[in-house]
Amino acid sequence: KAGVTQTPRYLIKTRGQQVTLSCSPISGHRSVSWYQQTPGQGLQFLFEYFSETQRNKGNFPGRFSGRQFSNSRSEMNVSTLELGDSALYLCASSINQGRAAFFGQGTRLTVV
Amino acid sequence: KQEVTQIPAALSVPEGENLVLNCSFTDSAIYNLQWFRQDPGKGLTSLLLIQSSQREQTSGRLNASLDKSSGRSTLYIAASQPGDSATYLCAVSFERTITGGGNKLTFGTGTQLKVEL
Repeated sequence: KAGVTQTPRYLIKTRGQQVTLSCSPISGHRSVSWYQQTPGQGLQFLFEYFSETQRNKGNFPGRFSGRQFSNSRSEMNVSTLELGDSALYLCASSINQGRAAFFGQGTRLTVV
Repeated sequence: KQEVTQIPAALSVPEGENLVLNCSFTDSAIYNLQWFRQDPGKGLTSLLLIQSSQREQTSGRLNASLDKSSGRSTLYIAASQPGDSATYLCAVSFERTITGGGNKLTFGTGTQLKVEL
């Protein structure tokens, strides 16, 4: 059974640009969550989608957005990139709320 | 506020030693707790999941315990090996989030473990 797949693995963007990250969950998993990991703040929750609906949202500015498609694949978008957005972005999938979460390898975003 | 804390932040032990990693949470109304390991620059690997009704879970050399009333969980690693070197993270799913219909993990800051030859 394939694991959680995130693409791309690495990205370098310039301040002010926008970026889209993709996550394909484990087959049969309908809940997809996104987290940002930085050395200073650790792992912080961005948002969670289930059946194409956002169920939870963390304390991030509106520049961070996401969506989920009917096949459960999810994308997150960051607009008007800032230097502080440089981080490892991790996607997790689970069957539903409260079930074990499985993470992808992450997308390393560097903003210059 | 729902917070998760891990102590110590870093730990270095000789190979073969048994060790305990600690995780504490401020709100005892948890749904479950999950332990992960993370290798440098990589994603998280799920190790153990303990439901709120359970006291412990075991997988190979790993044993995780949960004491909801005191807001604590421990991860016990037996006969440590250099391959166990990684950052260990605990993550809590709080009841309020689950009953609200969401799915969110609150992470501790992790314990960086180094097992030396």
